[in-house]
Amino acid sequence: EVQLLESGGGLVQPGGSLRLSCAASGFTFRNSWMHWVRQAPGEGLVWVSHINTDGSSTSYADSVKGRFTISKDNAKNTLYLQMNSLRAEDTAVYYCLRNFDSWGRGTLVTVSS
Amino acid sequence: DVVMTQSPLSLPVTLGQPASISCRSSQSLVHSDGNTYLTWFQQRPGQSPRRLIYKVSNRDSGVPDRFSGSGSGTDFTLKISRVEAEDVGVYYCMQGTQWPPWTFGQGTKVEIK
Repeated sequence: EVQLLESGGGLVQPGGSLRLSCAASGFTFRNSWMHWVRQAPGEGLVWVSHINTDGSSTSYADSVKGRFTISKDNAKNTLYLQMNSLRAEDTAVYYCLRNFDSWGRGTLVTVSS
Repeated sequence: DVVMTQSPLSLPVTLGQPASISCRSSQSLVHSDGNTYLTWFQQRPGQSPRRLIYKVSNRDSGVPDRFSGSGSGTDFTLKISRVEAEDVGVYYCMQGTQWPPWTFGQGTKVEIK
């Protein structure tokens, strides 16, 4: 069974940083494309970032480009999202996904002073 | 970017009756490989989204056969043949043909009358 468990969310001040982690199990992580998708409170789904199997290719939504960095450690079966220069509008539940067919439960990031 | 437009945004339905959600893309979703990467997700209240249908009409494992997807080019439809109480939630379409970014529709809220 595919399992994705996000962690690292919390309350951070504007301009601050957080690193989200997603522990993966139940599938061959090193062979999987992974994504982060976020959902602001009461809002819809927004794609944030993707990474390919070996981490050699990544992409980002314009709203986070230059501030967020996605990475994956295939030895640890873990996906990361380093978030810098956080803004109030980054407040959302962040979901880790395996190629859109499996979703984690999400971790809440709140950016507020 | 490909814009995904869903209608209606709210859909009150009587139990046992059919429901239909439309999703239109601003550009054709036919990929150069011949596939059409249009996906439907369901998000029940308080839960993570889950994939229902991929490549327009392919149901995921465990998805009841009352759910069906159809369409081509820029026009797509999700149909529920007979709505059950467990179908309450928000439904999203998403395109994965022209990326980045992967883009979602605004979501359609299905509720019981």
